[in-house]
Amino acid sequence: AQSVTQLGSHVSVSEGALVLLRCNYSSSVPPYLFWYVQYPNQGLQLLLKYTSAATLVKGINGFEAEFKKSETSFHLTKPSAHMSDAAEYFCAVSDAGAQKLVFGQGTRLTINP
Amino acid sequence: EPEVTQTPSHQVTQMGQEVILRCVPISNHLYFYWYRQILGQKVEFLVSFYNNEISEKSEIFDDQFSVERPDGSNFTLKIRSTKLEDSAMYFCASSASWEGETQYFGPGTRLLVL
Repeated sequence: AQSVTQLGSHVSVSEGALVLLRCNYSSSVPPYLFWYVQYPNQGLQLLLKYTSAATLVKGINGFEAEFKKSETSFHLTKPSAHMSDAAEYFCAVSDAGAQKLVFGQGTRLTINP
Repeated sequence: EPEVTQTPSHQVTQMGQEVILRCVPISNHLYFYWYRQILGQKVEFLVSFYNNEISEKSEIFDDQFSVERPDGSNFTLKIRSTKLEDSAMYFCASSASWEGETQYFGPGTRLLVL
């Protein structure tokens, strides 16, 4: 069964520093990959998605992610963290032919002033 | 911008009671989903719904659960006889299509079963 692993349940960075949130998936066939963000008391909002086009995907709020098939990874990065980036981030995957999303356990990002 | 809405935002119920969680998907979307997140755990898929029938469901979605689209706008999740372990945040989502399509999530309903 498809699975997603997010390394690090909590990540803390300083404002202006690089943000790196890690995501690895288990599928042997390139799936569809998503990053969602959840701000307090809000629903999940799509940051970006990979659907077999360019391997470097740009999303909202300056985030981007790179699909690396050889590493089965889809890590999320942002060059310079902002206080407003503090939230919970979820990596998710769906297989070709499937409807459901399979989520990682989430990473809570804290930004230090 | 269109959004998915859910009501109520919070619900407290007694074990054994029936609850109905309501969702209004984005109006031109055709695929509807329910997910849940038990506190401290992953977001888990429950069920997907298309063309007035269930198209996929997880092993969690047993006979205690049902979904319905009673009219052209609402999408509901019913839990017939709630258990303590049903306490979770329940998210509704919708998408215009399915494979690889973005699923848009509502803000969730926090259900507490006592």
